[in-house]
Amino acid sequence: DSGVTQTPKHLITATGQRVTLRCSPRSGDLSVYWYQQSLDQGLQFLIQYYNGEERAKGNILERFSAQQFPDLHSELNLSSLELGDSALYFCASSVGGSVDIQYFGAGTRLSVL
Amino acid sequence: AQSVTQPDIHITVSEGASLELRCNYSYGATPYLFWYVQSPGQGLQLLLKYFSGDTLVQGIKGFEAEFKRSQSSFNLRKPSVHWSDAAEYFCAVGAIGPGTPLVFGKGTRLSVIA
Repeated sequence: DSGVTQTPKHLITATGQRVTLRCSPRSGDLSVYWYQQSLDQGLQFLIQYYNGEERAKGNILERFSAQQFPDLHSELNLSSLELGDSALYFCASSVGGSVDIQYFGAGTRLSVL
Repeated sequence: AQSVTQPDIHITVSEGASLELRCNYSYGATPYLFWYVQSPGQGLQLLLKYFSGDTLVQGIKGFEAEFKRSQSSFNLRKPSVHWSDAAEYFCAVGAIGPGTPLVFGKGTRLSVIA
């Protein structure tokens, strides 16, 4: 158990809908990262928050947004969902904002039908 | 920008045989290198990391990796594979400084046969 909690484990929804994925980092970790894993693209970095502030942005679509709350949990919001958004979404956390060990949650599997 | 190449998409080895998974990276400065393992339906678990110092690093589950700067490689090895090692293995590179998330390779799927 990495100590990173992601909910829900599975999500099935329809095109055009909006969903929210939740991540609770390990105790003491200030950084949260979101990654998308798909068969064709592999593991792609989406966005990073550090202590409530956006720190880095990767290949995140405009339809996607995220935030980190004062208690350090994070939410990834996906809207106007398309079939191609079906993927495994991982959250990872680390102690600091620079390179250190990232611990991954078990992921949320999103299926858009 | 960093990049990682894992040349082997799928490798099959016999139980008890040795294993080497290849990883090549591209990065202009000293890289920070990681190997993660993903079992089916699971998240990624860190096997080992290289930040600096000894270029041969030991990890969990009997794995080791060697950093070779001249070859821009960070290959993962295990002397004797167990059936439970069947999983997807990812090499990743990071850079120092804030806002530098990991860049992952596409992964190598390891199958273990009796």
